[in-house]
Amino acid sequence: DTGVSQDPRHKITKRGQNVTFRCDPISEHNRLYWYRQTLGQGPEFLTYFQNEAQLEKSRLLSDRFSAERPKGSFSTLEIQRTEQGDSAMYLCASSRQGHTIYFGEGSWLTVV
Amino acid sequence: AQTVTQSQPEMSVQEAETVTLSCTYDTSESDYYLFWYKQPPSRQMILVIRQEAYKQQNATENRFSVNFQKAAKSFSLKISDSQLGDAAMYFCAYSPSLIQGAQKLVFGQGTRLTINP
Repeated sequence: DTGVSQDPRHKITKRGQNVTFRCDPISEHNRLYWYRQTLGQGPEFLTYFQNEAQLEKSRLLSDRFSAERPKGSFSTLEIQRTEQGDSAMYLCASSRQGHTIYFGEGSWLTVV
Repeated sequence: AQTVTQSQPEMSVQEAETVTLSCTYDTSESDYYLFWYKQPPSRQMILVIRQEAYKQQNATENRFSVNFQKAAKSFSLKISDSQLGDAAMYFCAYSPSLIQGAQKLVFGQGTRLTINP
C-alpha cells in the first residue's frame, strides 16, 4: 500500500498563471476527494469523484478551478488565472466506498 | 448544514500525562460518523479514531479514546500517557452516513497539541 501521493509538493507561481496538481490515489480506491486547507484552518471540501465521475462540487470551487479523473485513476486539479487568495494547501484523499478516507501529504501553493 | 467546533486552539501537556481535546458538532441527522485526525508537522493527515453514531460504546485505539455524548453533540478525544510523537494538530471531523452519497468530511478548526518533555 503506497498511500496517496501528490505532485508537486510545493509550487510558487505568479498571479495570473495557471497551475496543475496531480493526485495518485491508493490503488483500488474508487473515491477521490480534493480539499483545500489554509493556515490555521481545517480542510474544506472542494470536490469528489467516484471512479471517473465528478459527483459533487463545493461552492468554493469557482469556475477557475477544474478537476478531472480520467479513467478513474489519477486526478488533476487545475487552477486558472491564479489569485493570491488561492494560496493554500491542496489535499487529495481517497477511499473505498464506505471506508476510511486516506489523505496525501498535500500540495502547497503560493501565489505571489 | 453540519458544523464542527473545536474551542481549544492550543493545548499542552506534560509527557506521560493525559490530555483531553474537545469537539462539538451540529447536525440534524441521526446516522453519521465522527473522526479525529492528526496532522503532524509533515502535514499528512492521519486517522486517529472513528466513532459511529449508532454505537453507544465509545471507541478506543490503544492510548486514544473518545467520549461520545450524542445528545449533547459532543465528541472529545482523550490521549493517555502522552508521548512526544503525539505533538500535532488534531482535527475533529464529521461525515454523514457512509451509505448515503459522498463521504464528505466537515472539519473543525483544529487544536494544536504540544507535548512538554
